[in-house]
Amino acid sequence: EDKVVQSPLSLVVHEGDTVTLNCSYEVTNFRSLLWYKQEKKAPTFLFMLTSSGIEKKSGRLSSILDKKELSSILNITATQTGDSAIYLCAVDQAGTALIFGKGTTLSVSS
Amino acid sequence: GAGVSQTPSNKVTEKGKYVELRCDPISGHTALYWYRQSLGQGPEFLIYFQGTGAADDSGLPNDRFFAVRPEGSVSTLKIQRTERGDSAVYLCASSPKVGGEQYFGPGTRLTVT
Repeated sequence: EDKVVQSPLSLVVHEGDTVTLNCSYEVTNFRSLLWYKQEKKAPTFLFMLTSSGIEKKSGRLSSILDKKELSSILNITATQTGDSAIYLCAVDQAGTALIFGKGTTLSVSS
Repeated sequence: GAGVSQTPSNKVTEKGKYVELRCDPISGHTALYWYRQSLGQGPEFLIYFQGTGAADDSGLPNDRFFAVRPEGSVSTLKIQRTERGDSAVYLCASSPKVGGEQYFGPGTRLTVT
């Protein structure tokens, strides 16, 4: 059965800390891995990683895909309270449906 | 530019009633997806459209659920004889092409009493 597993499920840090969120997958017909940030309802697209683009960076956020280990990490440096959200990892299977993990709930305290 | 929009934002209905949820994708996006998200879970795939046709409806839980996209733009998810277990947030996403990144709307929170 195809699955995406995220860890930890929840995390509490202080402002300024660096965090690493993990995502592992077992999926047939892997095409890409995507990270989303979800505050309230709509997941907001962060990164898409593929075999030809295994590392992405945007400001304080960065992500790496390890196709050998079937996993990815999302790093957030110098965390801010506005980073508090649920971070979702999803795998695109054969260009159709995304298979999501349960998400990591990040809480950043000031 | 305008993102994906969904209406209504909230819908409360009684068990057994029929509901329609609407999704207006980003202009020009040919692929449209419906997901359902329950509390504490990631979104679960329901159905996706490439143009007007349903390319994959394998995620629809049963025949009470149906979706259409008659003109290749707006889509409607229809749920007949609603049950309390249908309560969830229904998310719509669109993509400029199949396999591209998906952009999500704000969702419709459906509550079946």
